[in-house]
Amino acid sequence: DSGVTQTPKHLITATGQRVTLRCSPRSGDLSVYWYQQSLDQGLQFLIQYYNGEERAKGNILERFSAQQFPDLHSELNLSSLELGDSALYFCASSVDAGLQETQYFGPGTRLLVL
Amino acid sequence: AQTVTQSQPEMSVQEAETVTLSCTYDTSESDYYLFWYKQPPSRQMILVIRQEAYKQQNATENRFSVNFQKAAKSFSLKISDSQLGDAAMYFCAYRSQYTGNQFYFGTGTSLTVIP
Repeated sequence: DSGVTQTPKHLITATGQRVTLRCSPRSGDLSVYWYQQSLDQGLQFLIQYYNGEERAKGNILERFSAQQFPDLHSELNLSSLELGDSALYFCASSVDAGLQETQYFGPGTRLLVL
Repeated sequence: AQTVTQSQPEMSVQEAETVTLSCTYDTSESDYYLFWYKQPPSRQMILVIRQEAYKQQNATENRFSVNFQKAAKSFSLKISDSQLGDAAMYFCAYRSQYTGNQFYFGTGTSLTVIP
């Protein structure tokens, strides 16, 4: 158990819908990262927040948005969902925002868009 | 964008033997970080080992070590005394401040450990 929690574990929804994935980092960690793992695109870095501020941005679609709240939990919002958004979404956290920081990954949220 | 290539989709090793997983990357930068992550069937991502590009010494973590060849842009992972619990998907990853702190992952190598 990494100490990072993600809810829900599984999510089934329909195309065109909007969902919110939630992540609670390890106690004391200020940085949160979001990743998408799909069969056709592999593991992709989406976005990083540090203490409420966006720190790095990867291949995150405009239909997706994220934020980190004052209590340091983070949410990833996915809207206008498409079949291709079906994937495993990971959240990770680290103490600081540095490149060398060890990230602790949550168990993931499996999203299925029908 | 940076590219990370893992040319071995699948590998197998006999228990207690040694196996090496390959990773190459493409970059024009001199300062960056390289990582190996393990993803067992539980799908959890676990950091195995990390290497800073400015350090010439190869990183080692117990039975896991890397062979970092900066000029060749190669970063292979050696697992010694393989154990059944090492069976997993292994991902190589690259990160640098010059690419906006993004992570770039390879496509992974699935490792089977044969008892």
